[in-house]
Amino acid sequence: RKEVEQDPGPFNVPEGATVAFNCTYSNSASQSFFWYRQDCRKEPKLLMSVYSSGNEDGRFTAQLNRASQYISLLIRDSKLSDSATYLCVVSRGGSYIPTFGRGTSLIVHP
Amino acid sequence: EAGVTQSPTHLIKTRGQQATLRCSPISGHTSVYWYQQALGLGLQFLLWYDEGEERNRGNFPPRFSGRQFPNYSSELNVNALELEDSALYLCASYNRGYSGNTIYFGEGSWLTVV
Repeated sequence: RKEVEQDPGPFNVPEGATVAFNCTYSNSASQSFFWYRQDCRKEPKLLMSVYSSGNEDGRFTAQLNRASQYISLLIRDSKLSDSATYLCVVSRGGSYIPTFGRGTSLIVHP
Repeated sequence: EAGVTQSPTHLIKTRGQQATLRCSPISGHTSVYWYQQALGLGLQFLLWYDEGEERNRGNFPPRFSGRQFPNYSSELNVNALELEDSALYLCASYNRGYSGNTIYFGEGSWLTVV
């Protein structure tokens, strides 16, 4: 089983839709969780950290489920500009390397 | 505050040559990661430098090497280039003493091997 798994998609949604992505991780010792956004041929950029209590930033909501070992990202009222690949990142901290999922592709169409 | 800077932006080399990529982390960040992202694929961890030392390396052959300088900038060297080394090479920095382990990426260096 891969350390971090994501559905590659693409998720093809109309503007205004709500879309959710999940990311599962295999190591229960994982401590830090993040969502990054990567536009085509660009570097990944931090979208948001994921906290145990869940957190929200505008139209974006991130949740962590430690029991089932997954994190989720919910995007409400999708915009055309949300079209990108969303990368899940899991880290055990310390001397461990942050591990990236392969990413989930989102396409928002008019 | 300046972000992570990488150079060159684009590099074209022929098979068998050597490539050198450079990275300057965010001021105050002591750790530098290098990742390879081949077209259409995910990020593959290459190397991690912290406080001038190589701390970990990914599943890549020894012809991928690098170093970190006293000012925490870093260099990635790829020897005996092969066609499949063509990829986006991303450098990321973070401050290991800062909680959350958030890493920030440079814009990357596109390496094309012909």
